[in-house]
Amino acid sequence: ILNVEQSPQSLHVQEGDSTNFTCSFPSSNFYALHWYRWETAKSPEALFVMTLNGDEKKKGRISATLNTKEGYSYLYIKGSQPEDSATYLCAWSPWDTGNQFYFGTGTSLTVIP
Amino acid sequence: EAGVTQFPSHSVIEKGQTVTLRCDPISGHDNLYWYRRVMGKEIKFLLHFVKESKQDESGMPNNRFLAERTGGTYSTLKVQPAELEDSGVYFCASSQSAGSSYNSPLHFGNGTRLTVT
Repeated sequence: ILNVEQSPQSLHVQEGDSTNFTCSFPSSNFYALHWYRWETAKSPEALFVMTLNGDEKKKGRISATLNTKEGYSYLYIKGSQPEDSATYLCAWSPWDTGNQFYFGTGTSLTVIP
Repeated sequence: EAGVTQFPSHSVIEKGQTVTLRCDPISGHDNLYWYRRVMGKEIKFLLHFVKESKQDESGMPNNRFLAERTGGTYSTLKVQPAELEDSGVYFCASSQSAGSSYNSPLHFGNGTRLTVT
């Protein structure tokens, strides 16, 4: 079973708080992991593409780490702002599926002003 | 550059009718994917085109679904006849060259919300 799990399912934080959430995926046959940010009424937008164990990526206040051997990735948001409110999706691609991506159900983040 | 566009944005049809969804990927993107999200669940893969060829259609639920990508440009997804369980949001996504597509992010359209009554 090719399951991608994200936790928590939803999260409410105060403006200024830092937060993090998890994406778990099968540790075998790793090919790539993507993080997407999905705002209501918009389409998902790519945040990070991660391919190597130990990868750390950063974009502004958002960063992500990757552990392919144990099958997880963390997304961190430092000093959350109301505009960070969105659903954060991860998508895992195993190497033997011809670039197919398996998505988690997402973490819904609400930042309270 | 223009993004991925999908048409229509919403469609409400009765059970047994036919609906055709269209996706125009970003120009030059060889990879085109169709995904579906049923309310409260994860986005699920339907199929993947590389140019005009179907690379993987293992996610297509059954033979009521037919996808085409004539000339390797836009794609259509036809559901015929539609059933109640086909309701959901259908997303199209595209990415760059086939050789390194795992390293290229997916660019999503806004989706088509299909409601079958």
